[in-house]
Amino acid sequence: DSGVTQTPKHLITATGQRVTLRCSPRSGDLSVYWYQQSLDQGLQFLIQYYNGEERAKGNILERFSAQQFPDLHSELNLSSLELGDSALYFCASSVGNQGAFSGYTFGSGTRLTVV
Amino acid sequence: GDSVTQMEGPVTLSEEAFLTINCTYTATGYPSLFWYVQYPGEGLQLLLKATKADDKGSNKGFEATYRKETTSFHLEKGSVQVSDSAVYFCALKTSYDKVIFGPGTSLSVIP
Repeated sequence: DSGVTQTPKHLITATGQRVTLRCSPRSGDLSVYWYQQSLDQGLQFLIQYYNGEERAKGNILERFSAQQFPDLHSELNLSSLELGDSALYFCASSVGNQGAFSGYTFGSGTRLTVV
Repeated sequence: GDSVTQMEGPVTLSEEAFLTINCTYTATGYPSLFWYVQYPGEGLQLLLKATKADDKGSNKGFEATYRKETTSFHLEKGSVQVSDSAVYFCALKTSYDKVIFGPGTSLSVIP
């Protein structure tokens, strides 16, 4: 157990629907990162939050949004889902935003299947 | 721009064979370098890291040396086991705090 908790582990939904993925970071970590992993695109950075504020954006579609709550858990919202959104979505956390960086701690991911 | 290149897989080795997975990078400044491992059905785990030139990261029998002159961070292990079968990702953290992952190299170790 890495200490980063992601729910649900699996999600099957229809095109056009909206889903919410949840992540609880490791205790003491203030930064949360969302990644999308697919066979053709590899591991793609989506977005980072630090202590409740958005800090960096990657290849995140406008149909996707995220937030980090006061208790530091984060949610990734995916709407108007398309077949191509089917992927593994990983959350990672780290202690700080800048300065000393010892690497990410990843959760075990949410496998999203859009049918 | 900043990038990470890894040798293409899949790599298939017999148990106790020597492993090398090549990783080269392009980055401005002085990045930190990492290897992550992803076992089937799991998230990525940090395997080892190096933060400056000539540093050697090591963990679980794996080693990698930060070579600034060749912009490389090759992963090595002297004797692989079946339990090492996984996907290995090389990654760098740039001077402006962006983390970039390579495409991953799948390793399969057969008894």
